[in-house]
This record gives sequence, C-alpha cells and structure tokens, in this order.
Amino acid sequence: QQQVKQSPQSLIVQKGGISIINCAYENTAFDYFPWYQQFPGKGPALLIAIRPDVSEKKEGRFTISFNKSAKQFSLHIMDSQPGDSATYFCAASKDFGNEKLTFGTGTRLTIIP
Amino acid sequence: ETGVTQSPTHLIKTRGQQVTLRCSSQSGHNTVSWYQQALGQGPQFIFQYYREEENGRGNFPPRFSGLQFPNYSSELNVNALELDDSALYLCASSWGGGQPQHFGDGTRLSIL
Repeated sequence: QQQVKQSPQSLIVQKGGISIINCAYENTAFDYFPWYQQFPGKGPALLIAIRPDVSEKKEGRFTISFNKSAKQFSLHIMDSQPGDSATYFCAASKDFGNEKLTFGTGTRLTIIP
Repeated sequence: ETGVTQSPTHLIKTRGQQVTLRCSSQSGHNTVSWYQQALGQGPQFIFQYYREEENGRGNFPPRFSGLQFPNYSSELNVNALELDDSALYLCASSWGGGQPQHFGDGTRLSIL
C-alpha cells in the first residue's frame, strides 16, 4: 500500500520560474513531512521539513505548503536555477521523524536556461 | 563533523550469495536506519536500530538482517541474494528525539 503519492513524475521548468511538486498522504498518524533532494550517485539530502501545526514553512527559495484537512503538502521552489535540477522526494513519518520514513516515488526536476 | 559514510560504494554478487554492507553513522548519532532504493523509485524502509536494538522493521524478509555496534556503526546483511535485491542501499543516521535523518551516498548492489 503506497501511503505517500507524489506528482508529477517529471517536471521541466524554465530558469527563474516556480517549480511545484505535490504529495498526498493517507495515514493520519503522520506528523513529520520532510522533502529530500537527490543528485545522481548521491544519497538523499534533507531540504526542508514541516510539522502539521503550521501551514507553511519557508527557507530561502524553498517553501512547503501543508493542508492537514486535505492530507496534502507541496514543495515550491522559487526562482528555479539549473543547479536545482535533481530528483525530489517527499516523505512522511510518525513520532516527529523518529520512526521510519515513507517516501513518495520521486519527481525528476529539470531546469532549462 | 563527519557525515554518514557507507562501504563499499559498489558491489557485484551472484544469486544465492551473501553480502554485508557497512555504515558509519554521523558523529553522536545513536539511531541508524537502512533503506533500499530500486532504480527510479523512492527509498523503502528496511529496519532501524537504536542503541544496538532493532527498533522497527519494514516489509522485508528475514534474510535481511542487521547489527548496530557500540560505536553506533552498523551492518546490513542479506543472505540468499535474489535478482530483485539489485538496488542502492542507503543508511541514515540521526540523534533521535525528532532530529532529522541524514543519509549516506549508499552502496550500489548488483546481482547477476
């Protein structure tokens, strides 16, 4: 049973544009929602994370929007740059991240000049 | 502060063999989790160790086993390798207490 659904599978955005990746979860016990960035040949690196007591979190050009009632959350990358080209994974876990992470299937983001 | 390191980086085995993958946790981290990432997929949780005890297991058969040592380094052992075990195996460590998990760059395992 896939508990975190991620879309789109791939995304092409022009440099300077806004990249938006969406995720939906099923398990209402989840209380920690991180986003990871993965470059080829590397492990996932934590980008930004949110807990359900807030609806939005911003760190630099990266923003997470969280809708608890809809069980959805999204990553927005403002002013997208070619260096942002990577695969992005949303994830969710219980117990504020102390338990296993359940990952989405990933979004391959390509930023074109 | 050193990050999470995994060894080896690449490994080729044949069906039926056994393999041991190693992970050195980030300094001070007492919790380690192992994940399997098939090509084009998100990581799948295998198990977690906290202070040398297994602390949760995903939907993987018993031929996947692990150890965590007093210095918090860890091993993943896989017996009777199958073709479907070909994947990137990732180790992640954390301090627990709601602190984020930090991943190593993984071991690419290929089964022939």
